[in-house]
This record gives sequence, C-alpha cells and structure tokens, in this order.
Amino acid sequence: SQTIHQWPATLVQPVGSPLSLECTVEGTSNPNLYWYRQAAGRGLQLLFYSVGIGQISSEVPQNLSASRPQDRQFILSSKKLLLSDSGFYLCAWSVHKRDEAFFGQGTRLTVV
Amino acid sequence: ILNVEQSPQSLHVQEGDSTNFTCSFPSSNFYALHWYRWETAKSPEALFVMTLNGDEKKKGRISATLNTKEGYSYLYIKGSQPEDSATYLCAFELGPGGYNKLIFGAGTRLAVHP
Repeated sequence: SQTIHQWPATLVQPVGSPLSLECTVEGTSNPNLYWYRQAAGRGLQLLFYSVGIGQISSEVPQNLSASRPQDRQFILSSKKLLLSDSGFYLCAWSVHKRDEAFFGQGTRLTVV
Repeated sequence: ILNVEQSPQSLHVQEGDSTNFTCSFPSSNFYALHWYRWETAKSPEALFVMTLNGDEKKKGRISATLNTKEGYSYLYIKGSQPEDSATYLCAFELGPGGYNKLIFGAGTRLAVHP
C-alpha cells in the first residue's frame, strides 16, 4: 500500500535561518508531488508541484523553493526564512488528474 | 482570481442531527470537485471526487451532490456522530494539465457534541 512520510512535525526557526522539509512517498512510482501551505484562517494553497524528477513548477512567487532529487522524494527549502513563512505545510501526491490526492501529516513551521 | 467558498465556516450540532455544508466554485474550466475530511492531528483524507453535473456520491452516512452549471456542491451528513467532528474541505480541480491543480476552500469546521 502507498504511504507518505513528512517530517519534522513541528519546527521553530529564527528569521533568516535556512529551512528544509522533506517528504517521501512509498508504494507508487512516478507520482505527481505537491507542497501546500495553510496560513491561519485560509484554505490550502498550492506552492509547488512536480510531475517528475527535477521538474518543479511554482504556483506563487515566494521565498521558498522545492526540489525533487529522486522519484519519490520532495523537498521544500528556503535559504533565509521570513516571519511570513510561518504556517502549516502539507506534502501530497497523486497519479492522474481527477484522482484523489494523498496527504502527509504536515509540518507546523513557526518563524520567530 | 479563482475563488472557492465554503459555508458555514463552522458548525456545532448534537449527536444524531443531520447537517449539510455548501461549496461554491467557478462554473467555468471545471474538471472535478473534491471533498476531503481533515481530523485534528491527522492528514486530510479524500471523501469524494466528483466529475459530472448531477453526480451524487455516498459513503456510509455521508453523501455529496454536484451542480457544475451553477457552481455548487453540497455535503450531507446523516445522523452526525462525535467521530464526524473534523474540518471538511472542498477543492475545485482546474483542467487541463498533467497534474491535479486544486483550489481549496477554507473549510467548514464541524463539531458534533454527544
């Protein structure tokens, strides 16, 4: 069966520090991978998606970047965090359009 | 800017009550409408993916309907139980493209009291 792992669960980082959140998927090949963020009181916003290794598309301009070094690994990074990067980050995967998306358990990031 | 609106924002009901929520979405460029349940400290979990106007889907006590022409979907829960307490998210899937481009609403937070 397919599973998705996302870590860490919580993170408190100072402004200006780097960030690396990791997500791995098991039990499927060549998934579409996604990073979402939920800001307080808002819906999930798609930040990045990837349809294959090394292929990253950004949905919104921001201070973050994403990479996909392996088929089932998706990494969210920042060189220097801003206060506005605080939020809840979710990794997800799907295979085809109109398929349901499967989500990780999320990372709550607080930038102080 | 594409907007997906969910109402109400939150809802408190008694165990055994039936309830329903609304998701409003753009009526153009429709590809699919997703419903997810998000329990506290867990991952969002898919309930339904609906694609055709007039679709009705059911899973146990939960059902959903879809009207793509007027841009709304209803989620119904019959005989609510405390374990139904969660945030219910709808997401509008845009087409075309090779990936799920989902635009999420802010969710309806349901609390079911024993």
